[in-house]
Amino acid sequence: DGGITQSPKYLFRKEGQNVTLSCEQNLNHDAMYWYRQDPGQGLRLIYYSQIVNDFQKGDIAEGYSVSREKKESFPLTVTSAQKNPTAFYLCASRGPTGLLNTEAFFGQGTRLTVV
Amino acid sequence: AQKVTQAQTEISVVEKEDVTLDCVYETRDTTYYLFWYKQPPSGELVFLIRRNSFDEQNEISGRYSWNFQKSTSSFNFTITASQVVDSAVYFCALRGMNRDDKIIFGKGTRLHILP
Repeated sequence: DGGITQSPKYLFRKEGQNVTLSCEQNLNHDAMYWYRQDPGQGLRLIYYSQIVNDFQKGDIAEGYSVSREKKESFPLTVTSAQKNPTAFYLCASRGPTGLLNTEAFFGQGTRLTVV
Repeated sequence: AQKVTQAQTEISVVEKEDVTLDCVYETRDTTYYLFWYKQPPSGELVFLIRRNSFDEQNEISGRYSWNFQKSTSSFNFTITASQVVDSAVYFCALRGMNRDDKIIFGKGTRLHILP
């Protein structure tokens, strides 16, 4: 089945450790996005990528890093520099540029808890 | 700058009542897209509708309808004859047609449908 897969669904890490969240899509989509969701804050954009080997910072990129080496994959690393990493992280992708491909489709999310 | 405002943080209605979720947006782009997503308790965002800025026709899909008014920068969502299964968080989102390809979300409205 085509779709966006985020793994793992739940992740626990000790404070000060880096952690990488996986996002894979088999939809042949060009653009991919990472959002962070906190209670009452809605979705805030961390990073996005419009094409392989290129990505841009979103509104809250500090303490995060990404790579886009393959079209299908857009992993997010939460570094120890991120002061409040505990949150729900959502990955999304969007199809090639065109009127019919303007919306993003989301994975099931990863809930990260730092203890 | 782009911004999406969902002023209603939480709404509770009794089943079978109609309910309208408000969305107001700001953008400098002359061409843009607006979206509504539903987030059930599972966490995954489900795409509901896309509206292009050059198409102000309202849309109805079953019990759902959307009212897009460019003059007031609003894109409101109405659920008619609400059902318990409609209980979720609903997000309004905006994507401009400039080069940076961001999708900006509002903070969401949590909707409770009471039996």
